[in-house]
Amino acid sequence: DAGITQSPRYKITETGRQVTLMCHQTWSHSYMFWYRQDLGHGLRLIYYSAAADITDKGEVPDGYVVSRSKTENFPLTLESATRSQTSVYFCASSESIFRGDEKLFFGSGTQLSVL
Amino acid sequence: RKEVEQDPGPFNVPEGATVAFNCTYSNSASQSFFWYRQDCRKEPKLLMSVYSSGNEDGRFTAQLNRASQYISLLIRDSKLSDSATYLCVVKGGNQFYFGTGTSLTVIP
Repeated sequence: DAGITQSPRYKITETGRQVTLMCHQTWSHSYMFWYRQDLGHGLRLIYYSAAADITDKGEVPDGYVVSRSKTENFPLTLESATRSQTSVYFCASSESIFRGDEKLFFGSGTQLSVL
Repeated sequence: RKEVEQDPGPFNVPEGATVAFNCTYSNSASQSFFWYRQDCRKEPKLLMSVYSSGNEDGRFTAQLNRASQYISLLIRDSKLSDSATYLCVVKGGNQFYFGTGTSLTVIP
């Protein structure tokens, strides 16, 4: 039971480069989310998706792009990385967002450093 | 104003102690509330859901006060393994809003 996996686990890149963080889940959950976690801010939602080909912005979407061509994959792309995007990124999935079924399952996270 | 606010702590308590964390939320229309646990450098994991006035699971009790817009988590008989950061989460619409977390260290 692989669950939800993120790759890479660690990434170092330079300012201006494009970076893609991968997220894959094996449960066929409808909902997927990308969060970033920074000291003093907690987890903040970047983008989320309710199903394949349906995505929507969260609190902090600027500088990020997502796609969801298949239910199981939800990659996050930083089009031109900036130092302020240095963070720990968590992908999460949920079978539903309706009352009683709202459990989020998180991947192990990607620690991204932009130099 | 932040959607969810928590006291960051840290809380340092001896084994066997009872400790309580509070969390306040700003959106009075919120319907679903959760406590997640996050161990150092690891992913958050659901500890408890709170849909009505409260929920109890073993040594853990979560309570909801809608009038005052706060949620609490009570841990009784603390264990060393309870050391972690506890995240208060409130759902609004299709989004989950996380507090910054409260750090707990249980001391032998």
